[in-house]
Amino acid sequence: AQKVTQAQTEISVVEKEDVTLDCVYETRDTTYYLFWYKQPPSGELVFLIRRNSFDEQNEISGRYSWNFQKSTSSFNFTITASQVVDSAVYFCALTLDEAGSDMRFGAGTRLTVKP
Amino acid sequence: DGGITQSPKYLFRKEGQNVTLSCEQNLNHDAMYWYRQDPGQGLRLIYYSQIVNDFQKGDIAEGYSVSREKKESFPLTVTSAQKNPTAFYLCASSIGGSQSVDTYNEQFFGPGTRLTVL
Repeated sequence: AQKVTQAQTEISVVEKEDVTLDCVYETRDTTYYLFWYKQPPSGELVFLIRRNSFDEQNEISGRYSWNFQKSTSSFNFTITASQVVDSAVYFCALTLDEAGSDMRFGAGTRLTVKP
Repeated sequence: DGGITQSPKYLFRKEGQNVTLSCEQNLNHDAMYWYRQDPGQGLRLIYYSQIVNDFQKGDIAEGYSVSREKKESFPLTVTSAQKNPTAFYLCASSIGGSQSVDTYNEQFFGPGTRLTVL
């Protein structure tokens, strides 16, 4: 079965620092989908990005960037010039099912950005 | 506004009582999901439904039940058989495989219900 590991339980940075959240996944399938979600204090998960296993192109969206490396089974997330509003719990997730019925979430990384 | 609503935000129940958590979506999504989140842990799948009148057990279905009589609604009942029901419950939906779009397995989440059993 697939598994997602987020080894960093908590990270604390000062505003404007760059921070990278690690995500390592395990699966024997060649087709899979990776996700990052943000959970602010309100509790609702917010979708950030989806990447399928055939697309290793890295992506940048404003201050956010993602580094997908199949060779190391990693899908890391970097926030550049962090802001207080980035404080949240971030989850990495993986599914094999095109319909997303077997989504596996990592334990999450709590990011605190101090002013 | 389109989205997913869960009510109530906070729910308190006495031990031994069944309780039903509501989840409604107006996104016209076929698939709906229930997850449980415990402190310091990721989300674990309780039940999911790909289509009306059909649902499947997830990893931790014991002590829970669901129904899917309408496309918009996927209520979750936490029964007295659930040994440790106090948790944060999240409902999600996705377009589902019946619709041919590229992002059909992206899940959209509701605001969650925090259930405390006293």
